[in-house]
Amino acid sequence: KAGVTQTPRYLIKTRGQQVTLSCSPISGHRSVSWYQQTPGQGLQFLFEYFSETQRNKGNFPGRFSGRQFSNSRSEMNVSTLELGDSALYLCASSLPSGEAGELFFGEGSRLTVL
Amino acid sequence: AQSVAQPEDQVNVAEGNPLTVKCTYSVSGNPYLFWYVQYPNRGLQFLLKYITGDNLVKGSYGFEAEFNKSQTSFHLKKPSALVSDSALYFCAVSAGYSSASKIIFGSGTRLSIRP
Repeated sequence: KAGVTQTPRYLIKTRGQQVTLSCSPISGHRSVSWYQQTPGQGLQFLFEYFSETQRNKGNFPGRFSGRQFSNSRSEMNVSTLELGDSALYLCASSLPSGEAGELFFGEGSRLTVL
Repeated sequence: AQSVAQPEDQVNVAEGNPLTVKCTYSVSGNPYLFWYVQYPNRGLQFLLKYITGDNLVKGSYGFEAEFNKSQTSFHLKKPSALVSDSALYFCAVSAGYSSASKIIFGSGTRLSIRP
């Protein structure tokens, strides 16, 4: 069974640009969540999607957005990039019910903003 | 509000010795507790979880964790450390089963195993 796939793995952008990151969940998983990981702030929840609907959103500015498609694949977008957006962005998929709370993470997209 | 604390930023252990990575939590109701491991430039990997039942939970790679309700702790342990265990370890908690947004992660503990 293929794991969670995130693309691209690494990317470099400059301030003011925008970026789109992609996540393909494990087959059969309909819930996808996104996290930002930085050395200073640790792992912070960005948003969660289920059946193409955003269920929850973390405490991030409106420059951070996301969506989920009918095949459960998800994208997140960050507009008007700032230096502080440099981070590892992790996607996780999970079953919406049954197995309680176990998250399956992708390998992440490392974003560097110059 | 629920919270989780990993009091040690780093734990250093000699190979072959037992290791413990500490985690304490605060949650209303019954806790769901998890441990994840992260290797350099990788995502988090699930190690084990406690939902209910036996307080000693066994997981991947020889790790185990003990749920202690009175001390609100869920320490990760391994009887004999390997150099390959060197990684960043995260404890996480949620109040019962809920969405991913309700899972709170600790700040992480870097485990370093010296040969």
